[in-house]
Amino acid sequence: DAGVIQSPRHEVTEMGQEVTLRCKPISGHNSLFWYRQTMMRGLELLIYFNNNVPIDDSGMPEDRFSAKMPNASFSTLKIQPSEPRDSAVYFCASSRTSGQNTGELFFGEGSRLTVL
Amino acid sequence: DQQVKQNSPSLSVQEGRISILNCDYTNSMFDYFLWYKKYPAEGPTFLISISSIKDKNEDGRFTVFLNKSAKHLSLHIVPSQPGDSAVYFCAASVSGGSNYKLTFGKGTLLTVNP
Repeated sequence: DAGVIQSPRHEVTEMGQEVTLRCKPISGHNSLFWYRQTMMRGLELLIYFNNNVPIDDSGMPEDRFSAKMPNASFSTLKIQPSEPRDSAVYFCASSRTSGQNTGELFFGEGSRLTVL
Repeated sequence: DQQVKQNSPSLSVQEGRISILNCDYTNSMFDYFLWYKKYPAEGPTFLISISSIKDKNEDGRFTVFLNKSAKHLSLHIVPSQPGDSAVYFCAASVSGGSNYKLTFGKGTLLTVNP
């Protein structure tokens, strides 16, 4: 079975440029999460979608960040304009929620973003 | 305010011995706890979990212990193997409306020496 697929794996860009990260969740999973990992803050939840609807975006740092999930098999995280402090590893994760969410997330391999 | 803390950034043990990774939490509302394992250049993978109604959960070489009164949990790996070398993240969640939200610790790098 294919896991969560993220692209690109690595992105190096210059400050001010637009960055788009992509995610394909596991088929049949109805919850999708974007996390950011930094040395200082560890793994932080940015946004959570359930059945393609954004449920909680309280972790999105500021208006420069936006995320979409146009269908059950695709999501994007966009940063515009990008800044050096956005440099981090961005993980997408998915899960199948039922009556009781066990919290077992399936993570992609991450997209390492470097903003110069 | 860090609600889930892993105070040891790293731990080194000999192959065959026990590895004990510790995690403390401050939010008394947390009632479900998980451990994830992460290899370099890969995403975290789920390892084991425990509900607050239990104080121990075992899966093969991995056992998680929960001490609710101390707000402390630990992961025991016995016997440790070189392939266990990875970063281990502790995570916690609250049942109910926000049960999707996992709060992660910063991780402990475990190195198992042959």
